[in-house]
Amino acid sequence: AQSVTQLDSHVSVSEGTPVLLRCNYSSSYSPSLFWYVQHPNKGLQLLLKYTSAATLVKGINGFEAEFKKSETSFHLTKPSAHMSDAAEYFCVVRSSNTGKLIFGQGTTLQVKP
Amino acid sequence: EAGVAQSPRYKIIEKRQSVAFWCNPISGHATLYWYQQILGQGPKLLIQFQNNGVVDDSQLPKDRFSAERLKGVDSTLKIQPAKLEDSAVYLCASSFGRGGADTQYFGPGTRLTVL
Repeated sequence: AQSVTQLDSHVSVSEGTPVLLRCNYSSSYSPSLFWYVQHPNKGLQLLLKYTSAATLVKGINGFEAEFKKSETSFHLTKPSAHMSDAAEYFCVVRSSNTGKLIFGQGTTLQVKP
Repeated sequence: EAGVAQSPRYKIIEKRQSVAFWCNPISGHATLYWYQQILGQGPKLLIQFQNNGVVDDSQLPKDRFSAERLKGVDSTLKIQPAKLEDSAVYLCASSFGRGGADTQYFGPGTRLTVL
């Protein structure tokens, strides 16, 4: 069975400092992995996706993630946090059978001035 | 292009009442998904349609939840009767297909409160 584990439920950074949100995955097949962001009272927005092409994936708003098969990880990073980055972030793996998305528990990112 | 539309945005009901949610996917998207997101958790798939056929409803509580996608476009999700633990945000998503490269686009969700 496929699954993802987000290693931190809450991350707090200062504005202008780097962001690291950690995610490990479990999959028998070459996975499709995603990061989604959810701002309060707004819908889920796709940040980036990995579908077995380049291992370093660039997304919107300066975010990127690196697929590391040896570590079964897909961590999300951003060089410099902005106040508008404060939100809930979900690491997601896609089922190779049905295409359904399997979400992690989420990481709340707090950005302090 | 227009995104995924959902209504209502908010609904408050008492337990044992029934409720229905509506979703209009992005035009041309064959695959439609309903997710349940309980506060503090990630969304969980309830049911997936490919056109008007069900692909996966393994996590749908069929004794009280039902969903349909007549004509392969709009979809409705119904709960009858509602329980307190059904309080959640119900998200609808759609994608062109269900392959690995197909992006799922989410609607704003319907926040259900069961009192």
